Amino acid sequence: SQKIEQNSEALNIQEGKTATLTCNYTNYSPAYLQWYRQDPGRGPVFLLLIRENEKEKRKERLKVTFDTTLKQSLFHITASQPADSATYLCALVVGWVTGGGNKLTFGTGTQLKVEL
Amino acid sequence: DADVTQTPRNRITKTGKRIMLECSQTKGHDRMYWYRQDPGLGLRLIYYSFDVKDINKGEISDGYSVSRQAQAKFSLSLESAIPNQTALYFCATSEGEGYTFGSGTRLTVV
Repeated sequence: SQKIEQNSEALNIQEGKTATLTCNYTNYSPAYLQWYRQDPGRGPVFLLLIRENEKEKRKERLKVTFDTTLKQSLFHITASQPADSATYLCALVVGWVTGGGNKLTFGTGTQLKVEL
Repeated sequence: DADVTQTPRNRITKTGKRIMLECSQTKGHDRMYWYRQDPGLGLRLIYYSFDVKDINKGEISDGYSVSRQAQAKFSLSLESAIPNQTALYFCATSEGEGYTFGSGTRLTVV
Protein backbone atom coordinates (compact mmCIF):
# COMPACT_ATOMS: atom_id res chain seq x y z
CA SER A 1 0.00 0.00 0.00
CA GLN A 2 1.06 3.60 -0.47
CA LYS A 3 2.44 5.38 2.57
CA ILE A 4 3.95 8.72 3.46
CA GLU A 5 5.73 8.55 6.78
CA GLN A 6 6.87 11.38 8.98
CA ASN A 7 8.13 10.94 12.50
CA SER A 8 5.11 11.21 14.77
CA GLU A 9 7.26 12.04 17.79
CA ALA A 10 7.96 15.70 18.40
CA LEU A 11 11.46 16.93 17.64
CA ASN A 12 12.90 19.15 20.38
CA ILE A 13 16.01 21.17 19.62
CA GLN A 14 17.87 24.12 21.03
CA GLU A 15 17.72 27.57 19.51
CA GLY A 16 20.49 28.11 16.98
CA LYS A 17 20.82 24.44 16.04
CA THR A 18 19.78 22.88 12.74
CA ALA A 19 16.51 20.99 12.74
CA THR A 20 16.21 18.06 10.33
CA LEU A 21 12.84 16.49 9.58
CA THR A 22 12.33 13.36 7.51
CA CYS A 23 9.68 12.32 5.02
CA ASN A 24 9.75 8.75 3.70
CA TYR A 25 7.38 7.32 1.14
CA THR A 26 6.61 3.88 -0.27
CA ASN A 27 4.86 2.76 -3.44
CA TYR A 28 4.78 6.26 -4.87
CA SER A 29 6.66 7.76 -7.81
CA PRO A 30 6.12 11.43 -7.03
CA ALA A 31 6.58 14.07 -9.68
CA TYR A 32 7.37 16.50 -6.91
CA LEU A 33 7.23 16.99 -3.19
CA GLN A 34 6.17 19.95 -1.10
CA TRP A 35 6.70 21.04 2.49
CA TYR A 36 4.21 23.01 4.55
CA ARG A 37 4.18 24.59 7.98
CA GLN A 38 1.07 24.36 10.17
CA ASP A 39 0.44 26.24 13.40
CA PRO A 40 -2.22 25.01 15.87
CA GLY A 41 -5.75 25.72 14.65
CA ARG A 42 -4.50 27.22 11.37
CA GLY A 43 -4.28 26.06 7.79
CA PRO A 44 -1.00 24.76 6.37
CA VAL A 45 1.29 27.33 4.75
CA PHE A 46 3.34 26.39 1.68
CA LEU A 47 7.11 26.59 2.16
CA LEU A 48 9.01 24.82 -0.61
CA LEU A 49 8.58 22.58 -3.63
CA ILE A 50 11.22 20.23 -5.03
CA ARG A 51 10.90 18.32 -8.29
CA GLU A 52 11.96 14.71 -8.94
CA ASN A 53 14.93 15.84 -11.02
CA GLU A 54 16.20 18.23 -8.33
CA LYS A 55 18.46 17.08 -5.53
CA GLU A 56 18.26 20.16 -3.32
CA LYS A 57 16.32 23.40 -2.94
CA ARG A 58 17.01 26.34 -0.63
CA LYS A 59 15.03 29.29 0.60
CA GLU A 60 16.54 31.53 3.25
CA ARG A 61 17.18 29.27 6.30
CA LEU A 62 15.30 26.34 4.75
CA LYS A 63 16.78 23.51 2.72
CA VAL A 64 15.02 20.52 1.21
CA THR A 65 16.62 17.44 -0.33
CA PHE A 66 14.91 14.79 -2.41
CA ASP A 67 16.36 11.34 -2.97
CA THR A 68 14.13 9.28 -5.28
CA THR A 69 16.35 6.22 -4.84
CA LEU A 70 15.97 6.24 -1.05
CA LYS A 71 12.38 7.51 -1.43
CA GLN A 72 13.09 10.20 1.10
CA SER A 73 13.04 13.96 1.55
CA LEU A 74 14.88 15.81 4.29
CA PHE A 75 13.80 19.26 5.47
CA HIS A 76 16.37 21.38 7.28
CA ILE A 77 15.94 24.61 9.22
CA THR A 78 19.29 26.20 10.03
CA ALA A 79 19.83 28.61 12.95
CA SER A 80 16.46 27.57 14.34
CA GLN A 81 14.41 30.00 16.41
CA PRO A 82 11.51 29.53 18.84
CA ALA A 83 9.26 31.08 16.15
CA ASP A 84 10.03 28.03 13.97
CA SER A 85 8.07 25.85 16.41
CA ALA A 86 5.19 24.33 14.45
CA THR A 87 4.13 21.13 12.73
CA TYR A 88 5.76 20.51 9.37
CA LEU A 89 3.96 18.48 6.71
CA CYS A 90 5.34 16.89 3.59
CA ALA A 91 3.07 16.28 0.63
CA LEU A 92 3.50 14.39 -2.64
CA VAL A 93 2.14 14.98 -6.11
CA VAL A 94 2.15 11.73 -8.03
CA GLY A 95 1.50 13.20 -11.43
CA TRP A 96 -0.51 15.73 -13.32
CA VAL A 97 -4.13 14.79 -13.57
CA THR A 98 -5.73 15.17 -16.97
CA GLY A 99 -6.87 18.76 -17.26
CA GLY A 100 -3.75 20.27 -15.73
CA GLY A 101 -4.60 19.90 -12.09
CA ASN A 102 -2.62 18.30 -9.32
CA LYS A 103 -3.62 16.56 -6.12
CA LEU A 104 -1.53 16.49 -3.00
CA THR A 105 -1.32 13.57 -0.61
CA PHE A 106 -0.09 14.64 2.83
CA GLY A 107 1.95 12.99 5.53
CA THR A 108 0.74 13.33 9.12
CA GLY A 109 3.42 15.85 10.03
CA THR A 110 6.18 16.22 12.60
CA GLN A 111 5.95 18.73 15.44
CA LEU A 112 9.08 20.80 15.95
CA LYS A 113 9.77 22.58 19.23
CA VAL A 114 12.67 25.01 19.39
CA GLU A 115 13.70 25.78 22.95
CA LEU A 116 15.64 28.76 24.27
CA ASP B 1 -8.82 40.17 3.63
CA ALA B 2 -7.58 36.60 3.60
CA ASP B 3 -6.91 34.96 0.23
CA VAL B 4 -9.09 31.97 1.20
CA THR B 5 -11.96 32.57 3.60
CA GLN B 6 -13.89 29.80 5.29
CA THR B 7 -17.14 30.20 7.17
CA PRO B 8 -18.07 29.40 9.83
CA ARG B 9 -14.86 29.11 11.87
CA ASN B 10 -16.50 26.87 14.44
CA ARG B 11 -19.75 24.95 14.35
CA ILE B 12 -21.50 22.52 16.62
CA THR B 13 -24.35 20.58 15.06
CA LYS B 14 -26.54 17.65 15.95
CA THR B 15 -26.48 14.20 14.40
CA GLY B 16 -28.71 14.02 11.34
CA LYS B 17 -28.64 17.72 10.54
CA ARG B 18 -27.60 19.05 7.14
CA ILE B 19 -24.77 21.53 7.30
CA MET B 20 -22.89 23.59 4.72
CA LEU B 21 -19.36 24.87 5.01
CA GLU B 22 -18.46 27.72 2.72
CA CYS B 23 -15.24 28.74 1.06
CA SER B 24 -14.41 31.76 -1.05
CA GLN B 25 -11.10 32.81 -2.57
CA THR B 26 -9.67 35.99 -4.04
CA LYS B 27 -6.66 34.34 -5.70
CA GLY B 28 -8.40 33.93 -9.06
CA HIS B 29 -7.44 30.23 -9.12
CA ASP B 30 -9.47 27.65 -10.99
CA ARG B 31 -8.52 24.73 -8.75
CA MET B 32 -10.15 24.30 -5.35
CA TYR B 33 -10.08 21.49 -2.79
CA TRP B 34 -11.73 20.35 0.43
CA TYR B 35 -9.72 18.43 3.02
CA ARG B 36 -10.48 17.18 6.49
CA GLN B 37 -7.85 16.82 9.19
CA ASP B 38 -8.03 14.37 12.06
CA PRO B 39 -5.38 13.77 14.73
CA GLY B 40 -3.00 11.02 13.64
CA LEU B 41 -4.55 10.77 10.16
CA GLY B 42 -3.36 13.98 8.61
CA LEU B 43 -5.13 15.81 5.80
CA ARG B 44 -7.39 13.73 3.60
CA LEU B 45 -8.95 14.90 0.34
CA ILE B 46 -12.76 14.96 0.24
CA TYR B 47 -13.54 16.64 -3.10
CA TYR B 48 -11.74 18.76 -5.65
CA SER B 49 -12.67 20.95 -8.58
CA PHE B 50 -10.43 22.08 -11.43
CA ASP B 51 -12.90 24.60 -12.81
CA VAL B 52 -16.52 25.67 -12.40
CA LYS B 53 -17.88 22.75 -14.42
CA ASP B 54 -15.61 20.13 -12.89
CA ILE B 55 -16.23 18.20 -9.64
CA ASN B 56 -14.27 15.12 -8.57
CA LYS B 57 -14.40 12.81 -5.58
CA GLY B 58 -11.39 12.49 -3.34
CA GLU B 59 -10.43 9.59 -1.11
CA ILE B 60 -13.18 10.10 1.50
CA SER B 61 -16.22 11.59 -0.28
CA ASP B 62 -18.93 9.36 1.24
CA GLY B 63 -21.39 11.44 3.28
CA TYR B 64 -20.30 14.70 1.66
CA SER B 65 -21.31 16.71 -1.40
CA VAL B 66 -19.96 19.90 -2.93
CA SER B 67 -21.09 22.77 -5.10
CA ARG B 68 -18.88 25.05 -7.18
CA GLN B 69 -21.08 28.11 -7.49
CA ALA B 70 -18.45 30.29 -9.17
CA GLN B 71 -14.72 30.34 -9.73
CA ALA B 72 -14.34 31.92 -6.32
CA LYS B 73 -16.78 29.80 -4.34
CA PHE B 74 -16.71 26.12 -3.37
CA SER B 75 -19.00 24.84 -0.64
CA LEU B 76 -19.03 21.51 1.18
CA SER B 77 -22.22 19.95 2.53
CA LEU B 78 -22.76 17.18 5.02
CA GLU B 79 -26.13 15.75 4.05
CA SER B 80 -26.84 14.09 7.39
CA ALA B 81 -24.07 14.78 9.88
CA ILE B 82 -22.71 11.96 12.04
CA PRO B 83 -20.29 12.14 14.99
CA ASN B 84 -17.34 10.67 13.08
CA GLN B 85 -17.48 13.69 10.77
CA THR B 86 -16.21 15.76 13.70
CA ALA B 87 -12.97 17.20 12.35
CA LEU B 88 -11.12 20.28 11.17
CA TYR B 89 -12.07 21.08 7.57
CA PHE B 90 -9.87 23.02 5.20
CA CYS B 91 -10.51 24.57 1.82
CA ALA B 92 -7.56 25.24 -0.47
CA THR B 93 -6.77 26.66 -3.89
CA SER B 94 -3.83 26.12 -6.20
CA GLU B 95 -2.27 27.29 -9.41
CA GLY B 96 1.29 26.22 -10.04
CA GLU B 97 3.45 25.79 -6.96
CA GLY B 98 1.90 25.30 -3.56
CA TYR B 99 -1.61 25.31 -2.16
CA THR B 100 -3.16 28.25 -0.33
CA PHE B 101 -5.29 27.07 2.57
CA GLY B 102 -8.04 28.77 4.50
CA SER B 103 -7.98 28.98 8.29
CA GLY B 104 -10.31 26.03 8.64
CA THR B 105 -13.72 25.21 10.09
CA ARG B 106 -13.80 23.22 13.30
CA LEU B 107 -16.93 21.08 13.11
CA THR B 108 -18.30 19.12 16.03
CA VAL B 109 -21.20 16.72 15.52
CA VAL B 110 -22.95 15.75 18.76
